[in-house]
Amino acid sequence: DAGITQSPRHKVTETGTPVTLRCHQTENHRYMYWYRQDPGHGLRLIHYSYGVKDTDKGEVSDGYSVSRSKTEDFLLTLESATSSQTSVYFCAIRKDENTEAFFGQGTRLTVV
Amino acid sequence: SQQGEEDPQALSIQEGENATMNCSYKTSINNLQWYRQNSGRGLVHLILIRSNEREKHSGRLRVTLDTSKKSSSLLITASRAADTASYFCATYTGSARQLTFGSGTQLTVLP
Repeated sequence: DAGITQSPRHKVTETGTPVTLRCHQTENHRYMYWYRQDPGHGLRLIHYSYGVKDTDKGEVSDGYSVSRSKTEDFLLTLESATSSQTSVYFCAIRKDENTEAFFGQGTRLTVV
Repeated sequence: SQQGEEDPQALSIQEGENATMNCSYKTSINNLQWYRQNSGRGLVHLILIRSNEREKHSGRLRVTLDTSKKSSSLLITASRAADTASYFCATYTGSARQLTFGSGTQLTVLP
């Protein structure tokens, strides 16, 4: 299995609080992605990174920010959590444009 | 809106039958990939087909790509109950940095 770990695996938080999810890889892959998965929507891209300190927005980036200060870590922050951000969040890594992506096991976030 | 859309959304077949899922996409791609997701788990890569390829095989999987129609199909032959999962297509779009998924096909294989 590819070395990719998401933490925490489960989290319950209150509306209005900041939340940070972490994705850690040991593969030294260049690309990292954050997705959310909701019933009926498949996986939607939130943000992605193509190198240290190089990030860009995806399809559903509003309310989320990211940081990548090291190759191995990609952090997703919900500045002020809302109930609409209740979801399962997946991180993925990819070596280059012509290779497959490897996924973490997901983080189930509930905002109450 | 999402780049890829799978069809059908749900498919139920008997063990031993073949299962075919289709994916349509909107923009030019470098490659297209298929992934599988078991309930409550992360996605697992199945097969990648490049834009200059028309067909690719891997075990019981066969993937076709028609770039003129912007569509791909995934065929699973001689299905097993263990093939029950959601299947997603994914494309690299734009600057080839984004990996965009469709909404998936839920396959149920009945024993």
